[in-house]
Amino acid sequence: GAVVSQHPSRVICKSGTSVKIECRSLDFQATTMFWYRQFPKKSLMLMATSNEGSKATYEQGVEKDKFLINHASLTLSTLTVTSAHPEDSSFYICSAQGPTVMNTEAFFGQGTRLTVV
Amino acid sequence: AQSVTQPDIHITVSEGASLELRCNYSYGATPYLFWYVQSPGQGLQLLLKYFSGDTLVQGIKGFEAEFKRSQSSFNLRKPSVHWSDAAEYFCAVTIKAAGNKLTFGGGTRVLVKP
Repeated sequence: GAVVSQHPSRVICKSGTSVKIECRSLDFQATTMFWYRQFPKKSLMLMATSNEGSKATYEQGVEKDKFLINHASLTLSTLTVTSAHPEDSSFYICSAQGPTVMNTEAFFGQGTRLTVV
Repeated sequence: AQSVTQPDIHITVSEGASLELRCNYSYGATPYLFWYVQSPGQGLQLLLKYFSGDTLVQGIKGFEAEFKRSQSSFNLRKPSVHWSDAAEYFCAVTIKAAGNKLTFGGGTRVLVKP
């Protein structure tokens, strides 16, 4: 299957700083990328959907000014957690899909463990 | 409201025994169904998916799942579990109108006893 690379895998940052997480599709063009958040021992919660070249669509309750998403190219989307606080500590996972919407799966990155101290 | 339910939070099974994980969904339209596996601290790997056709779907690692429309279920099975199958399993659903926007179940953690 297609490969989605997410970087970094782990990051520790100080409260009040910003952290950027990258999600790259290595061998296909990802027209749509999804960002999920996973709390310990919990399921995945969709945060936002980003389409290349347009603004991301955020799910209800997700602060768009806090979680900045950029999808400037067909192979890269970034999630920036701005002014991070300890409650933002979580596991963040991206997924990417190609231009054929259905009959293609969304490929997941390895996830990023964010710890805000 | 659309929802996906995995009734079992934890399942413990002996190595070599069979495994069945339950998934029920509540969707108005024809669903597209997925099962993913997640090892600790890792992303998700697709085990299998159902879009249409034969309701018994074969996946990787010896897993299979059966779509039962009348029961709104998509249960995952494996005839003989290996120690390496210990992981978290997620059922996920989407509908055509939502593209690939997945709704996940709460997950089932599988523990394998030697």
